[in-house]
Amino acid sequence: QQKVQQSPESLIVPEGGMASLNCTSSDRNVDYFWWYRQHSGKSPKMLMSIFSNGEKEEGRFTVHLNKASLHTSLHIRDSQPSDSALYLCAASPGANTGKLTFGHGTILRVHP
Amino acid sequence: NAGVIQTPRHKVTGKGQEATLWCEPISGHSAVFWYRQTIVQGLEFLTYFRNQAPIDDSGMPKERFSAQMPNQSHSTLKIQSTQPQDSAVYLCASSLVGGRREQYFGPGTRLTVL
Repeated sequence: QQKVQQSPESLIVPEGGMASLNCTSSDRNVDYFWWYRQHSGKSPKMLMSIFSNGEKEEGRFTVHLNKASLHTSLHIRDSQPSDSALYLCAASPGANTGKLTFGHGTILRVHP
Repeated sequence: NAGVIQTPRHKVTGKGQEATLWCEPISGHSAVFWYRQTIVQGLEFLTYFRNQAPIDDSGMPKERFSAQMPNQSHSTLKIQSTQPQDSAVYLCASSLVGGRREQYFGPGTRLTVL
């Protein structure tokens, strides 16, 4: 069973719209969440990370974390066609390890 | 900074042959990770080195896969007797150590086993 579940599997939003992506871990040992973006044919690149309850904003991107439910969400406002990509959520445990467990991702398409 | 370097970028092997994949981490990064990515399984962790020492190989198929890090500037992933199900993109990542450090991924090696 996949320990990191992402939803939706795919999402289409109009240019300028808001995209909301969700991620939940079933492993209660995790304490840190990462969002990576992977454009087609490229390698994943880290967008944002969060480990504290609440919200973190960087430019058009906002992440939320609820540690009690191990749920995180990524919101992209004013979506651009260049945001079209696979968005991967990853979780890492509280022990001193860098191992990341990834979800299957959400494919986002922003249409002009 | 050239980023993480992986060679070759593409490799085609016949069933039963051996494949060796190379990774050069970002200079100064002491943690090196190997992952593989397929459509069906997604991005899966394979193994992890810190300061050249193997830390966690829980994702490695035990019988045919092995990884080494003989020095701080490169790591190898070797697959013996390759099978069609080994076809995937193999990604190497590196990071600084200590705390929660961002992992930087290389471009990957696309392995195709015929």
